[in-house]
Amino acid sequence: GAVVSQHPSWVICKSGTSVKIECRSLDFQATTMFWYRQFPKQSLMLMATSNEGSKATYEQGVEKDKFLINHASLTLSTLTVTSAHPEDSSFYICSAKSRTDTQYFGPGTRLTVL
Amino acid sequence: SQQGEEDPQALSIQEGENATMNCSYKTSINNLQWYRQNSGRGLVHLILIRSNEREKHSGRLRVTLDTSKKSSSLLITASRAADTASYFCATDQGAQKLVFGQGTRLTINP
Repeated sequence: GAVVSQHPSWVICKSGTSVKIECRSLDFQATTMFWYRQFPKQSLMLMATSNEGSKATYEQGVEKDKFLINHASLTLSTLTVTSAHPEDSSFYICSAKSRTDTQYFGPGTRLTVL
Repeated sequence: SQQGEEDPQALSIQEGENATMNCSYKTSINNLQWYRQNSGRGLVHLILIRSNEREKHSGRLRVTLDTSKKSSSLLITASRAADTASYFCATDQGAQKLVFGQGTRLTINP
């Protein structure tokens, strides 16, 4: 299957700092990427849909000014958690949609805010 | 919102047995996808079944879809210890995004 990478795989930061997470589709172009958040032993919750060259579409309850998304190219989307706080600690996963409608997921990024 | 419901929430079987997981949803769909997630890892895509399909196979995996009952099942035959993971169904309801079920935690005992 197609490969989606995420970087970094884990990050620890101090409260109040910003963290950027990259999501790349390595062997296909993705006009649409998605960002999810997952708490321990729970399912994935969609945060936003990232469209190349346009503004992201955020799900209800997700603060767009806190979770900045940039989809600069057909293979790269970034999620920046601004002014991170301990409650933002979570597992963040991206996915990229292929031409066959299959969504391929990255390995995830574990964010810990101290 | 998470509209998919998976049954059972947890399943523990002996190696070599078959494992069946069910998924129900509430609205019409374009397709339904099954994923596997090992603890603390990303999701691995298993199978996509479209709304006009009733059954698909991939190796030891068999997926059925009943759109009249709004349900799907994933069967893993001849289970192995390496199949231990959480399994999620996700429905494509249009608007490009997937809605995930709560998942089934499968444990294969050696």
